[in-house]
Amino acid sequence: NAGVTQTPKFQVLKTGQSMTLQCAQDMNHNSMYWYRQDPGMGLRLIYYSASEGTTDKGEVPNGYNVSRLNKREFSLRLESAAPSQTSVYFCASSDRGQFNEKLFFGSGTQLSVL
Amino acid sequence: ELKVEQNPLFLSMQEGKNYTIYCNYSTTSDRLYWYRQDPGKSLESLFVLLSNGAVKQEGRLMASLDTKARLSTLHITAAVHDLSATYFCAVGYGNKLVFGAGTILRVKS
Repeated sequence: NAGVTQTPKFQVLKTGQSMTLQCAQDMNHNSMYWYRQDPGMGLRLIYYSASEGTTDKGEVPNGYNVSRLNKREFSLRLESAAPSQTSVYFCASSDRGQFNEKLFFGSGTQLSVL
Repeated sequence: ELKVEQNPLFLSMQEGKNYTIYCNYSTTSDRLYWYRQDPGKSLESLFVLLSNGAVKQEGRLMASLDTKARLSTLHITAAVHDLSATYFCAVGYGNKLVFGAGTILRVKS
């Protein structure tokens, strides 16, 4: 059971370059999320998708765009990367319909912007 | 805006000792989660607490929730080296979870 799969695991970009982080889940979850993790700051929500066809901004959406391609896939795009976007990015999913809702996380993408 | 504060942020403890990590939050919520993260790894769900007075235990870890005090605790009993990790609490807020900064736990022999 793969769970939540993120690609790539590592990426180095130059300032101004663009890239897309891919995320897919095979648990038939309705909701998907993108977080970034910075030292000493916990995880901060970038964007989320409560259900297929919807997306909403989180705490730190500036500089990012997302696409909920279908129920399985939720991508995060950096149109013009900046050094401030150097971080570890996690995709997560959950089934809003479950009483004991919890997030299932991918393995993370370590992004460096030079 | 919901704020989630954990303390301590760093905890170094001897094997066999007991300690408690605290998670305070600023806005009413009845959903609180604890996660564990090993260095360089992803987050793993430990506990889901969904009501006032909820208590859950798994091995040497026990989590509780007091929604009136807006406080959750993660108690560690007789710590062992394998518990060394970073522990995050997260509070449910609408469709989102807001995470604390994390507590880095190091258990020394």
